[in-house]
Amino acid sequence: DAGVTQSPTHLIKTRGQQVTLRCSPKSGHDTVSWYQQALGQGPQFIFQYYEEEERQRGNFPDRFSGHQFPNYSSELNVNALLLGDSALYLCASSRRQVSEKLFFGSGTQLSVL
Amino acid sequence: KNEVEQSPQNLTAQEGEFITINCSYSVGISALHWLQQHPGGGIVSLFMLSSGKKKHGRLIATINIQEKHSSLHITASHPRDSAVYICAGMYSGGGADGLTFGKGTHLIIQP
Repeated sequence: DAGVTQSPTHLIKTRGQQVTLRCSPKSGHDTVSWYQQALGQGPQFIFQYYEEEERQRGNFPDRFSGHQFPNYSSELNVNALLLGDSALYLCASSRRQVSEKLFFGSGTQLSVL
Repeated sequence: KNEVEQSPQNLTAQEGEFITINCSYSVGISALHWLQQHPGGGIVSLFMLSSGKKKHGRLIATINIQEKHSSLHITASHPRDSAVYICAGMYSGGGADGLTFGKGTHLIIQP
């Protein structure tokens, strides 16, 4: 049983570009959440998707958007990249309304030059 | 404002020592997670607590709802326990995710 998978593992972009990160949840999970983790900091919640809709959102600008597909996989899109967007982007999956441990992907390390 | 504070920020100990990492949070939490993050980024969920105490191997997690405080203990610590330990609070009104994270405790266990 595959866990949460993220792609790509590493990415280098330049300021102003756009990027798309992908996440496949653990089998049986229907909810995907995205987090940004700057170097030396704890993760910050970006948003959560369930039933192909954004359900919750953290304090991130509209440049950060997402999508969830019918197979529960998800994408995170960031437009007009800034140097400050350089971070590890983590995806976590879970079952909606079920309180249990979370399952995280290994993350995508994004570097903006 | 939902806040989660961890201490200490950094901890270095000798193999075999008993380790305690502390986490305090603001009112309104419905559950608290303890996570382990190794170099390279991968995060593993250790515990989810809403009350009492949980144990898994050499790891023990406790939570005191009245004091808004949780602790993670490691008994007979080993160099492979070296990692960043993060507590994260799930606040009422949220779903299974949408956590507020602490900044993490960087633990180094020396042989």
